Order: sequence, then C-alpha cells, then structure tokens
Amino acid sequence: DQQVKQNSPSLSVQEGRISILNCDYTNSMFDYFLWYKKYPAEGPTFLISISSIKDKNEDGRFTVFLNKSAKHLSLHIVPSQPGDSAVYFCAAITSGTYKYIFGTGTRLKVLA
Amino acid sequence: NAGVMQNPRHLVRRRGQEARLRCSPMKGHSHVYWYRQLPEEGLKFMVYLQKENIIDESGMPKERFSAEFPKEGPSILRIQQVVRGDSAAYFCASSPGLGTGGRNEQFFGPGTRLTVL
Repeated sequence: DQQVKQNSPSLSVQEGRISILNCDYTNSMFDYFLWYKKYPAEGPTFLISISSIKDKNEDGRFTVFLNKSAKHLSLHIVPSQPGDSAVYFCAAITSGTYKYIFGTGTRLKVLA
Repeated sequence: NAGVMQNPRHLVRRRGQEARLRCSPMKGHSHVYWYRQLPEEGLKFMVYLQKENIIDESGMPKERFSAEFPKEGPSILRIQQVVRGDSAAYFCASSPGLGTGGRNEQFFGPGTRLTVL
C-alpha cells in the first residue's frame, strides 16, 4: 500500500524553465510534508517542507504547494538550473511521530 | 561539525556471509533511523532506535536482520546470512528527537551500498 506516490519517475526540463514535480498521498493523517533531494552516491538532503496549515511555502527558487482536498503537493523550481538535476523524494509524516513515508522519487534532468 | 556518518560506503558480501553497517549520528542526536532503498524504489523505513532502545522495528524483516544503538559507539545494522535480495543502499538518518510544531527533520548519511554476490 503506497501511501505516498510520485507517478512520474523522470522529468526533463530546459535550463531556465520551470520544473514541476508532483506527489500524491492517501493518508489524511499526514500533516507535514517534505521534499528531499538526492544526488548519486549521496544521502538525501532536506530541501523544503510544508505544514498542512499552509498551502504554500517558498524558499528562493523552490516553492511547495499543498492541496489538501486533493491530497496533492507539488514542488516548483524556477528557474531550473543544471545543478538541480537529481532525484527528488517527497515524504509525509504525522506530527508527533517519527516515521516518514517516502515516495519512489522523480529523477529531474535539467538540460543546459 | 560532522554530519551523519556511515561506513563502509560500499560493502560486498557473498551469499551466507554477515554484513555489518555502521552509523554515527550527528552530534547531539539521540534518534537513529535506518532505511533501505532497493533499485528503482523509494526509501523504506526499517527501524527506529534511541540510545539502547529499539522503538520501532516494524519495517525490518523478522529474520536475519537486527539493529542496535548502544550507549557508546555507532548504531549497527546487522544482516546475517545475506542473500542476493539484500543488495540495496542502506541509509541512516538521525534527529535530535520529535520536533516541536510537528517538525521532525531527519538528517541522512551518505549510505552504504551493499552488494551480495
């Protein structure tokens, strides 16, 4: 039972354009969502998060949008840069617990 | 100000041997989590430990796998009698505890890539 789904295994975007990565979840108890970025041969690194009391969180070029009614979140990267090429994982958690549930990841390739 | 450290980074074992993966959490962190990533899959929770205690091992196979986080020293994930299906990347993460306001950021190590021949 995949509670967090990233249905696009890969995405290619031209440098300077917007990258949009999507994530869907099924468990309505999740109230905190995170995006992690992972380069090959490295561990995931935290990128940006959002609480369920918000519908948008922005940090520089990265913005996460949350649509609770649709149980959907997305990560927007604008403008995309070649250094953004990596695998992006979304994760969800219920406050006060410790168990992240990760999606399967989306491999983003930003073309120069 | 070292981050989460894992060693070895790469480990090759033959079927039937034992694999020991080590994780040193960030300074000040007393909570350790182990995840496994199989090829083309996401990160799957295996076990959550605090110092000298296993809090949740629901994601760990019942046989051959064990984990510990002793009072002194790193956390160890042990896989006995490895099989080819154990080949994966194993990531350790640490956190200072359950965050306030729901924040519970986990910091990941670089992973150990286990290959079973």
